[in-house]
Amino acid sequence: DAMVIQNPRYQVTQFGKPVTLSCSQTLNHNVMYWYQQKSSQAPKLLFHYYDKDFNNEADTPDNFQSRRPNTSFCFLDIRSPGLGDAAMYLCATSRGRGGYEQYFGPGTRLTVT
Amino acid sequence: GENVEQHPSTLSVQEGDSAVIKCTYSDSASNYFPWYKQELGKRPQLIIDIRSNVGEKKDQRIAVTLNKTAKHFSLHITETQPEDSAVYFCASDHGKSSGDKLTFGTGTRLAVRP
Repeated sequence: DAMVIQNPRYQVTQFGKPVTLSCSQTLNHNVMYWYQQKSSQAPKLLFHYYDKDFNNEADTPDNFQSRRPNTSFCFLDIRSPGLGDAAMYLCATSRGRGGYEQYFGPGTRLTVT
Repeated sequence: GENVEQHPSTLSVQEGDSAVIKCTYSDSASNYFPWYKQELGKRPQLIIDIRSNVGEKKDQRIAVTLNKTAKHFSLHITETQPEDSAVYFCASDHGKSSGDKLTFGTGTRLAVRP
């Protein structure tokens, strides 16, 4: 039944050690999003894909990269994690443009030591 | 870009009472206004949404109203129950300029006292 799956659910990495978070979806949605959510705050959009069309938010640090090799999978790469990157990372999908529900995955909790 | 303000940031109500959360947005081209509920440690989940051609929408104990002229929309929860305790986020799209994205409000932490 799982529609948006994120792995791992919990990730611990060392300061400066690259880490990759993954997201997959069974909904065949065109759009995939990566959000960063810190405690008690709203989800903050990092970037999103409409199909293979990549859209970066202006304030997303260069330290964050993303790949979408096919419709089902999307990856978030953090090249050199800092302590400030510790957060919940949420993947979401939606059917397309024009106001559709975003379906969120369970999130990956990233800890940086 | 779009700016969404949400009030109050915290809300405590007695079980059975009503709760109202209000949001304002800045982009007059916005057409889609969802509300998400996020329980502690869980993912945000859509509870109700409204589009700009509708002024009000109801789903059991939950209703949303939209005033496009004033650029504000509100979430109304009646007969609140302890399981309604969560953080609620309003959001709006960016109209045709970037219809894929949502801007979220800052969230309202609702506590329902038994």
